[in-house]
Amino acid sequence: AQKVTQAQTEISVVEKEDVTLDCVYETRDTTYYLFWYKQPPSGELVFLIRRNSFDEQNEISGRYSWNFQKSTSSFNFTITASQVVDSAVYFCALSEAGTSGSRLTFGEGTQLTVNP
Amino acid sequence: SAVISQKPSRDICQRGTSLTIQCQVDSQVTMMFWYRQQPGQSLTLIATANQGSEATYESGFVIDKFPISRPNLTFSTLTVSNMSPEDSSIYLCSVARYGYTFGSGTRLTVV
Repeated sequence: AQKVTQAQTEISVVEKEDVTLDCVYETRDTTYYLFWYKQPPSGELVFLIRRNSFDEQNEISGRYSWNFQKSTSSFNFTITASQVVDSAVYFCALSEAGTSGSRLTFGEGTQLTVNP
Repeated sequence: SAVISQKPSRDICQRGTSLTIQCQVDSQVTMMFWYRQQPGQSLTLIATANQGSEATYESGFVIDKFPISRPNLTFSTLTVSNMSPEDSSIYLCSVARYGYTFGSGTRLTVV
């Protein structure tokens, strides 16, 4: 069975600090996808990134970066120079690859609060 | 990626009543997924809806409580039946596109 663990329930930082959100996953599949989503207080889920299991290159998008390491089954997310608008719940998720019927398995989420 | 219109965005309902949530996708998709997010918790898959067949329900969710319709490849509904306060949650639909697009969610409060 698939499992995603986000050990950090809540993180609080001061604006402009860097913050890393941890994600560890378990799967028996050799091919899978990993995701990060942002859920602001309004409740919608905002897609941030998808990474497939064969692509271990780190990804950078503006202030966001992702570190995928298959050896440790981790897919961590770093926000550089955090801003108040980054305050949200962040979810890491996992799905099987190759079919359109694959469900997402979510971690428990990390509540990030960025204080001015 | 797909665009999903989900309605209603929120509702306050009396216990014992039912609410039907609608999701309209701007393109044809094979599978649609319905999730529940209880207050302060993560998302849990309720069921997977394939056009032209019965939805597949996850453990702990039953058709009598959460009937789903999927009349075509762009539309689905989820009904929350005989509601109780424990059903107060955010309900989200999703389609399996590149980023698994989600509807904007329905925030349900049962009083």
